[in-house]
Amino acid sequence: DAGVTQSPTHLIKTRGQQVTLRCSPKSGHDTVSWYQQALGQGPQFIFQYYEEEERQRGNFPDRFSGHQFPNYSSELNVNALLLGDSALYLCASSLLRVLTNEKLFFGSGTQLSVL
Amino acid sequence: TQLLEQSPQFLSIQEGENLTVYCNSSSVFSSLQWYRQEPGEGPVLLVTVVTGGEVKKLKRLTFQFGDARKDSSLHITAAQPGDTGLYLCAGVLGTASKLTFGTGTRLQVTL
Repeated sequence: DAGVTQSPTHLIKTRGQQVTLRCSPKSGHDTVSWYQQALGQGPQFIFQYYEEEERQRGNFPDRFSGHQFPNYSSELNVNALLLGDSALYLCASSLLRVLTNEKLFFGSGTQLSVL
Repeated sequence: TQLLEQSPQFLSIQEGENLTVYCNSSSVFSSLQWYRQEPGEGPVLLVTVVTGGEVKKLKRLTFQFGDARKDSSLHITAAQPGDTGLYLCAGVLGTASKLTFGTGTRLQVTL
């Protein structure tokens, strides 16, 4: 049973460029969340997708957008990249949207470096 | 301002020692989770605590949720090099769909 898979694993971009990161959730999971983890910090919630719609959003600018496909896979897009966008981007999937007693499964992440 | 503060930030100990990591907040959480993350990997869930005062054990790891559901602790007995990693607490506020992560505690266990 494949877990959460993300691609690519590493990416180098320059300021001003655009990037697309991809995520396939764990089999049977229909909810996908994205987190940004800067070096030496805990992950920060970007947004969550369920039924192909953005359901909740964290404190990130509109340059960060996403999409969920009918097969539950998801993309994270970042436009007009800034140096500060350099981070590990984590995708997480779950069966339920509400996380009170729900398990969240994380992928290994995409390490984005903006030069 | 970080909603969840962890202490200590860094901990370097020898194999066999005991340690405790703390996760504190002024907010009340409906549940709190602990994760361990190794370099180049995503966080892996260790435990979820839901009830105030709840204590859960996972082999040599003991997790406690504060009575007021504002804080938590992770105690490791007889640490081993395999315990090395970044330990993250993460809370759920109400019926939220997101996790609020702590600042993390980086643990290094040497022989």
